[in-house]
Amino acid sequence: AQKVTQAQTEISVVEKEDVTLDCVYETRDTTYYLFWYKQPPSGELVFLIRRNSFDEQNEISGRYSWNFQKSTSSFNFTITASQVVDSAVYFCAPPPGSARQLTFGSGTQLTVLP
Amino acid sequence: EPEVTQTPSHQVTQMGQEVILHCVPISNHLYFYWYRQILGQKVEFLVSFYNNEISEKSEIFDDQFSVERPDGSNFTLKIRSTKLEDSAMYFCASSEVYRNEDGYTFGSGTRLTVV
Repeated sequence: AQKVTQAQTEISVVEKEDVTLDCVYETRDTTYYLFWYKQPPSGELVFLIRRNSFDEQNEISGRYSWNFQKSTSSFNFTITASQVVDSAVYFCAPPPGSARQLTFGSGTQLTVLP
Repeated sequence: EPEVTQTPSHQVTQMGQEVILHCVPISNHLYFYWYRQILGQKVEFLVSFYNNEISEKSEIFDDQFSVERPDGSNFTLKIRSTKLEDSAMYFCASSEVYRNEDGYTFGSGTRLTVV
């Protein structure tokens, strides 16, 4: 079964610090995609990124970057120069299962202090 | 950018009452889903729906729950007799086709409070 583990339940940083959110996943599939979602205090779920298993290059989008390593089963998310508006819960999600179920990790609550 | 629209944003209902949550998926999407998130907990899968029938449902989705696509645009979740533990944020999502690489587009959620 697909499974992700987000060991960090809460992280607090001061504005402008860099922060990395960890995600470890388990899957039997040989090719797959992984996802990160953001849930700000307002509650909606915002899609951030999709990465595929055959591309291990880091991806950078503005202050966000993702490091995907199959060898360690990790798909980590880094925010550079964090801002207060980055405060949210961040969910890692493995690829959908047989019925396209997304099974979210438990999430990491990021608090960026001014 | 196309959106999944959910109404109402907040619903308060008395225990034992029926409630219907409404969703308008993205127009060219074929797969529809409901998820829920009890306050402070994980986002949990409830049900997936394709071709006018349920594809799969979780253990949470018992006989009290039902889904329907009454017309070409709406996708509803009905809870027949609400319980206090049904209080949660309910998210609707849709996706275009059956592709493993697709992330879903989620609506902004309906916060259901059962009193």
